[in-house]
Amino acid sequence: DVKVTQSSRYLVKRTGEKVFLECVQDMDHENMFWYRQDPGLGLRLIYFSYDVKMKEKGDIPEGYSVSREKKERFSLILESASTNQTSMYLCASRGMGEGRREQYFGPGTRLTVT
Amino acid sequence: DQQVKQNSPSLSVQEGRISILNCDYTNSMFDYFLWYKKYPAEGPTFLISISSIKDKNEDGRFTVFLNKSAKHLSLHIVPSQPGDSAVYFCAAMYNQGGKLIFGQGTELSVKP
Repeated sequence: DVKVTQSSRYLVKRTGEKVFLECVQDMDHENMFWYRQDPGLGLRLIYFSYDVKMKEKGDIPEGYSVSREKKERFSLILESASTNQTSMYLCASRGMGEGRREQYFGPGTRLTVT
Repeated sequence: DQQVKQNSPSLSVQEGRISILNCDYTNSMFDYFLWYKKYPAEGPTFLISISSIKDKNEDGRFTVFLNKSAKHLSLHIVPSQPGDSAVYFCAAMYNQGGKLIFGQGTELSVKP
């Protein structure tokens, strides 16, 4: 079974703080993704990575950055947290060359910025 | 520009009956479609998928239908069970690029 873990289930931060969200997968997957989920908006892609040290902007990258120094780990960074970044953050991974295209998700981090 | 749309935010169904969740898309380049199920405070879990070369895929109680001319897909759950109560997201992708485009989700409530 694929396992995707996220460092925190719940997080409360103050406006202006730098926030790190960590994601680790144990299936040697090449692709990793960060989404945020908001009511009525579904899941929106923030950043993704096809391989180590590679990153691509998703649909809503403003205010975020990412880091992928090791294949199994993909970090999302909020440079200066703002209240409109209060959301559920979901990490996902996907292997290549399997003929199947589903992504596997972690349990999510509920971030509140006050 | 919402390329994948789920126009029903919620759906309520009696246990044992059929649940039909709908999804529309606008991009004719999409060639693979997926359905995910999400419980509160958990990550989405993959349910079922369909390639654009097919019009139906079945897995137990779950069947996905694809109508390419109408750019519409639907998920049928028969029979519905209370444990199916969750938010269902449809998603689409193309070119094996890995990016999934998600709909807004439909909250299904199955009443005993």
